Amino acid sequence: DIQMTQSPSSLSAFVGHRVTITCRASQDISNSLAWFQQKPGKAPKSLIYGAFSLQSGVPSKFSGSGFGTDFTLTISNLQPEDFATYYCQQYDSYPYTFGQGTKLEIK
Amino acid sequence: QVQVVQSGAEVKKPGASVRVSCKASGYSFTSNYMHWVRQAPGQGLEWLGIINPSGGSSFYAENFQGRVTMTRDTSTSTVYMELSSLRFEDTAVYYCARGFDDISGFLDYWGQGTPVTVSS
Repeated sequence: DIQMTQSPSSLSAFVGHRVTITCRASQDISNSLAWFQQKPGKAPKSLIYGAFSLQSGVPSKFSGSGFGTDFTLTISNLQPEDFATYYCQQYDSYPYTFGQGTKLEIK
Repeated sequence: QVQVVQSGAEVKKPGASVRVSCKASGYSFTSNYMHWVRQAPGQGLEWLGIINPSGGSSFYAENFQGRVTMTRDTSTSTVYMELSSLRFEDTAVYYCARGFDDISGFLDYWGQGTPVTVSS
């Protein structure tokens, strides 16, 4: 199975600032990488697919990059509603696997 | 608009089975794969498997093979996930999520989740 490792596991940031979350795959997954946002008690919400393509309706403050094994999610101009847990997921091969999550908190 | 609506919470005893339903609307049901993902309390996301509503074929994660069965009813645009021989550690919220049009591995629309509690 492909292991997905996110870093950091948690981070805190100020409103208005920018943060970057990293996701590393244990083997080459090309650009078969998605990002999700999850708030407490809610289902995950899809943000990005294909490593950098924004899901319909997702604001451009979210951006993704990377290819192969190393990927990043960047969130600019943080607002209170952006503080949540973020997950990456590979869909290159079965079984699809998720990172362990990164919890973003307000500083 | 695309909607994926799941059945309600379940409480089961160890060794029992649970079946969760997921009703899709707002798109052509047989055109998109459906995934199942679960999340134990305070934990991350775990992928269980995928079903093709068109032909009914499915693929299950090795951790669940032999215990999970995914089926579909095209007449009601509903997919089902049944998990048998339940253990305490199967306590989790179970989600279904639609696979994106041309990239079936991307989970674009998620159901609201079905809490399953395994308790004696």
